[in-house]
Amino acid sequence: DADVTQTPRNRITKTGKRIMLECSQTKGHDRMYWYRQDPGLGLRLIYYSFDVKDINKGEISDGYSVSRQAQAKFSLSLESAIPNQTALYFCATRGKAESTDTQYFGPGTRLTVL
Amino acid sequence: SQKIEQNSEALNIQEGKTATLTCNYTNYSPAYLQWYRQDPGRGPVFLLLIRENEKEKRKERLKVTFDTTLKQSLFHITASQPADSATYLCALSTGGGNKLTFGTGTQLKVEL
Repeated sequence: DADVTQTPRNRITKTGKRIMLECSQTKGHDRMYWYRQDPGLGLRLIYYSFDVKDINKGEISDGYSVSRQAQAKFSLSLESAIPNQTALYFCATRGKAESTDTQYFGPGTRLTVL
Repeated sequence: SQKIEQNSEALNIQEGKTATLTCNYTNYSPAYLQWYRQDPGRGPVFLLLIRENEKEKRKERLKVTFDTTLKQSLFHITASQPADSATYLCALSTGGGNKLTFGTGTQLKVEL
């Protein structure tokens, strides 16, 4: 079984809808991250969390919110989706004891906003 | 601002040859430089890490060099195979739980 899972894997929605993307991990890592990936722009950090009570904005947090329901779960919400939020979204984890910042990624969610 | 540059053009090489990918950075003093592999529609997968005080790191057919004076890392795949075809991302961090900053990646195609 995969260590980092994301649901759904694909989602098509309409402008203005609220969307939640979910991430779960069995690696026992305390740090979790949400990225979006767009062609030519690479991976950009949306939000990250060092533990359940520690949530931080990344470089492109506007239009997004997150919830860390438990150490193993980190959800990303689009309160009112817009077409330029169409992208690949990745969740990643990192262990606290990992001093080198290596991250482990989920399989991604392809989101299309019409 | 911090900037990481990878060759945006795809690299096409013949099977058996050595592929060399480049990662250049500016306005950054990374403690760690990492290389990830990404296949279409999949998440990046960690391959290799090199520390600022290391010049070279090897793992099987992979070799990474790190020149902090030139602010450049080279990623080599020797005896390349079609299965090596993927996009390769470099990522930098300062360590201690700080964020990873990714380059846009270089697509490698290994042809028979």
